[in-house]
Amino acid sequence: NAGVTQTPKFQVLKTGQSMTLQCAQDMNHEYMSWYRQDPGMGLRLIHYSVGAGITDQGEVPNGYNVSRSTTEDFPLRLLSAAPSQTSVYFCASSIQGETQYFGPGTRLLVL
Amino acid sequence: AQSVTQLGSHVSVSEGALVLLRCNYSSSVPPYLFWYVQYPNQGLQLLLKYTTGATLVKGINGFEAEFKKSETSFHLTKPSAHMSDAAEYFCAVGSAGRRALTFGSGTRLQVQP
Repeated sequence: NAGVTQTPKFQVLKTGQSMTLQCAQDMNHEYMSWYRQDPGMGLRLIHYSVGAGITDQGEVPNGYNVSRSTTEDFPLRLLSAAPSQTSVYFCASSIQGETQYFGPGTRLLVL
Repeated sequence: AQSVTQLGSHVSVSEGALVLLRCNYSSSVPPYLFWYVQYPNQGLQLLLKYTTGATLVKGINGFEAEFKKSETSFHLTKPSAHMSDAAEYFCAVGSAGRRALTFGSGTRLQVQP
């Protein structure tokens, strides 16, 4: 199993550009989540999904959209990037309430 | 609502010394508690977890943690630090049926030779 995979590993955007961060898992997990990691702030939940077709907002959802058309994939969209979205983004998957398995992360720099 | 407080954003120990990383949580329901480790430029890796049962849990790399309900704590310990333990450590809280985890702000562990 590949576990949780994320692409790209690193991305530079200009303010106002859009992009999609990809996340896929091959463990047949129902739950998938997106977090952002900023220095001194730990990981903060952006959006999560409890299954295909079901998504909900986390702690810091503004500026991000998600969709879940399949169990395996959970892309995160930035519609109009802002410098405040410079961060490291982690995708995770899990069985309900249990251990979350994390991808390797995407480093995003918005100029 | 759930929250996690990690005391000390940076901890420095000598190689061979005891490692103690502190975590206190708040939860209105029985908590699931986790410690994750993050090495530089990598994702998070599970060290250990507590869900139910024995309150002293053992994890990988010689780490262990004890769930103390009365103190709402889940401190991480290792008897003897190794240089390879240098990393950032995150405590997290969840619960049965909860969709995601709440993380603490992290503790960076330095190990001095």
